[in-house]
Formats: sequence, structure tokens, C-alpha cells
Amino acid sequence: AQKITQTQPGMFVQEKEAVTLDCTYDTSDQSYGLFWYKQPSSGEMIFLIYQGSYDEQNATEGRYSLNFQKARKSANLVISASQLGDSAMYFCAMREGGFKTIFGAGTRLFVKA
Amino acid sequence: NAGVTQTPKFQVLKTGQSMTLQCAQDMNHEYMSWYRQDPGMGLRLIHYSVGAGITDQGEVPNGYNVSRSTTEDFPLRLLSAAPSQTSVYFCASSSYNYGYTFGSGTRLTVV
Repeated sequence: AQKITQTQPGMFVQEKEAVTLDCTYDTSDQSYGLFWYKQPSSGEMIFLIYQGSYDEQNATEGRYSLNFQKARKSANLVISASQLGDSAMYFCAMREGGFKTIFGAGTRLFVKA
Repeated sequence: NAGVTQTPKFQVLKTGQSMTLQCAQDMNHEYMSWYRQDPGMGLRLIHYSVGAGITDQGEVPNGYNVSRSTTEDFPLRLLSAAPSQTSVYFCASSSYNYGYTFGSGTRLTVV
């Protein structure tokens, strides 16, 4: 069954430091995609990064990278050089081959000055 | 501006009333989905579509109907509103192997 788990309800990080947000998944499909989204306090949903199940290299987008460990079924988000504006909810999501996309419960990140 | 347009932004319904949440995108995306987000929680998939004329159920489809007669539009119908349907509703679209573009959301209150 398709499942996404984010075990960290909240995380604190010092400004300019790196932080890792955890995400594990479960699927029986061989072809799937993994995504991370950011939701600031304004409520909008912002797409950050994508990793396909057949991609051999970890995805990177600016200060965001996705640490994809297929055997462990994990897709952790790494944010380098945290900024105050990174304070938000972060959601991991998985899309199976049929396009059904489900989300995890989210992790609230607090960046301290 | 290109994107996903949701209307209305706010709505109050009485229990038992029906209504349609509108969603339109102008990016020619094949894939569209509806989610609901309850306070302090993640997004739960209601219905989704992989193209015009094709829809399927998500995690929480009961009480909702959808149709996809065109690529651009994907309306969500609440058949008989219940207080449990009080939530923020997001419509989203994407092309293959790319992330969603989300609408700004509809905040629905059922009294």
C-alpha cells in the first residue's frame, strides 16, 4: 500500500546551518516519484524538488537537495545554509505510476536567528 | 498570470447544502487533483484525474464528486455538506514527472 511517513512534527535549526527533514515511503510500484513542498504561514503550497525512482543521482535545486536511499525507502530533504524565510511546514509526497499522489503529515521547521 | 485558479476563496454553507468548487488551469497540464487540508494536518487526496474524461478516487472521496470534461477545468462538487467537510481545499495540476502547481485554496466552513 502507498504510504508516506514524516516522523518529525517539529524541527529547530540555527540560521546558516544545514538541516535534514526525514521522509520514508512504502510502495509496491517500481516506478514512482518523490516530492517535497513548502507551506509558509501564508498557506500557499510551493513545489521544491523532485526525485524519480529510476534517477541514480540525488536531485538538487539551489539550497535544497534530496537524499534518496532507495533500499531504505527514504527521501530526506536537506536544506543548506538555512535562512529565516525557510521557517515553514514541509511536506513529503509520493506519486505512484498511476499518478495518485499522497502526502505525509508534514514537519514544521523553525529557523532561529 | 499562468497558474491554477480556484473559486471561491471563502465559502460558508449550511449543513445539507450542495455547492461546486471551481478549478481551472491554463498550463495544459494533464494531471489535476483535489486535496483537503484540516488544521495542523497534511493534505489528503479526494479525487484526481490523468486527463479529460478520466477521474479516480483518492483517500477520502466520500461526499464529493468530480468531472473532467476539458483539460483546463476540474470542478469539485459537494453533494450534501456536513460539518466534517469544513476544511481548506486545494486544487493542483502538473505535467508528468514534475511537481504540482497549487491553487490558492478555498476555505470552506459548514455550519
